[in-house]
Amino acid sequence: AVQLVESGGGLVQPKESLKISCAASGFTFSNAAMYWVRQAPGKGLEWVARIRTKPNNYATYYADSVKGRFTISRDDSKSMVYLQMDNLKTEDTAMYYCTAGPVDYWGQGVMVTVSS
Amino acid sequence: DVVMTQTPPSLSVAIGQSVSISCKSSQSLVYSDGKTYLHWLLQSPGRSPKRLIYQVSNLGSGVPDRFSGTGSQKDFTLKISRVEAEDLGVYYCAQTTHFPYTFGAGTKLELK
Repeated sequence: AVQLVESGGGLVQPKESLKISCAASGFTFSNAAMYWVRQAPGKGLEWVARIRTKPNNYATYYADSVKGRFTISRDDSKSMVYLQMDNLKTEDTAMYYCTAGPVDYWGQGVMVTVSS
Repeated sequence: DVVMTQTPPSLSVAIGQSVSISCKSSQSLVYSDGKTYLHWLLQSPGRSPKRLIYQVSNLGSGVPDRFSGTGSQKDFTLKISRVEAEDLGVYYCAQTTHFPYTFGAGTKLELK
């Protein structure tokens, strides 16, 4: 069965950095584009970042709200996808989900709280 | 970006009642391969979203046939026949035809 397991969330202060991770299993990871979707408390879903596969040059996409501050990456040898978040803002506070499919499979989510 | 307009924002229902949720897109969701990448998700309280229906009308694995999806081009509907308690939560439509992908704002299904 497909599993996506996020880790690395926590409480950070504004302007600090945090890196969250997603461990994937149950499918051929190297063939799948991977995504991060976030959900602010009590709000809807927002696409944050995408990374495509090696044949597509690992092309990345970022929502305007995070462009220049977040970096998505992947390690196909470990079936891992990462989201490096720099210069965090209070409005980045959200549950962050790792997805594949891109909506077929979702992790349990990891909470990132940005507060002073 | 494609705007997904979901209505109503909330629904209050009794167990056993049938309900419909609408999702309209700002442009056609037919992809160049002829398929329509419009999906429905359910987020139960405290849980991650779960895909219910993919490509307009295909039920995901294990999804009861009380759920059905219809529509084409820019106009789509999710119908739940005979609502059960486990169906409560927030329903989202999502399009993965045009990049960047986008979600509807959600419809909260509550018990009357």
